[in-house]
Amino acid sequence: GDSVTQMEGPVTLSEEAFLTINCTYTATGYPSLFWYVQYPGEGLQLLLKATKADDKGSNKGFEATYRKETTSFHLEKGSVQVSDSAVYFCALSFPFSGSARQLTFGSGTQLTVLP
Amino acid sequence: DTGVSQDPRHKITKRGQNVTFRCDPISEHNRLYWYRQTLGQGPEFLTYFQNEAQLEKSRLLSDRFSAERPKGSFSTLEIQRTEQGDSAMYLCASSSGTSYNEQFFGPGTRLTVL
Repeated sequence: GDSVTQMEGPVTLSEEAFLTINCTYTATGYPSLFWYVQYPGEGLQLLLKATKADDKGSNKGFEATYRKETTSFHLEKGSVQVSDSAVYFCALSFPFSGSARQLTFGSGTQLTVLP
Repeated sequence: DTGVSQDPRHKITKRGQNVTFRCDPISEHNRLYWYRQTLGQGPEFLTYFQNEAQLEKSRLLSDRFSAERPKGSFSTLEIQRTEQGDSAMYLCASSSGTSYNEQFFGPGTRLTVL
């Protein structure tokens, strides 16, 4: 079945450091890919998405590029802030097939940014 | 606040008791999802509604679980004869059904079964 694998955490960085969180997927076909973020005490929020190969999703300084050849969707940010501390989830879905279009998530990566 | 809301936020119950959770989606969203998230894991899909029709159920949804969405608005998830393994965060999400199906999540209900 479809699956998403994220790098294990937790990840601890100093403010202004470069961030990479790796995400790879296994799927039959061409899914849409997402990064969701969960801040403490809050619900999951969509951070960015990409719907086809070579698409780059970006939001709030975060970027991720859909790489079909490596089945990857790594999350990057050039300079993290304390406020970026959260749990980050990579996910996929098939928006054009089936009825549910449910999300399949990775296990999440806890990021802590220290001042 | 026009986001997805869930009630209660926390529920502690004893093994064998029944519990019911409620989800109020964003008002114009016709698609509603339930997910379960255990500690250290990502959310796992449980079931999906389009309007009032429950169209898909995961194998994770045992016979002790039942979900409804009367009138296609709010939804309830009931767990009968709770077990300690049911302890988890139960998340609700809704979507308008546009092509890329962005799902908006509620804050979740944390269930603890003693």
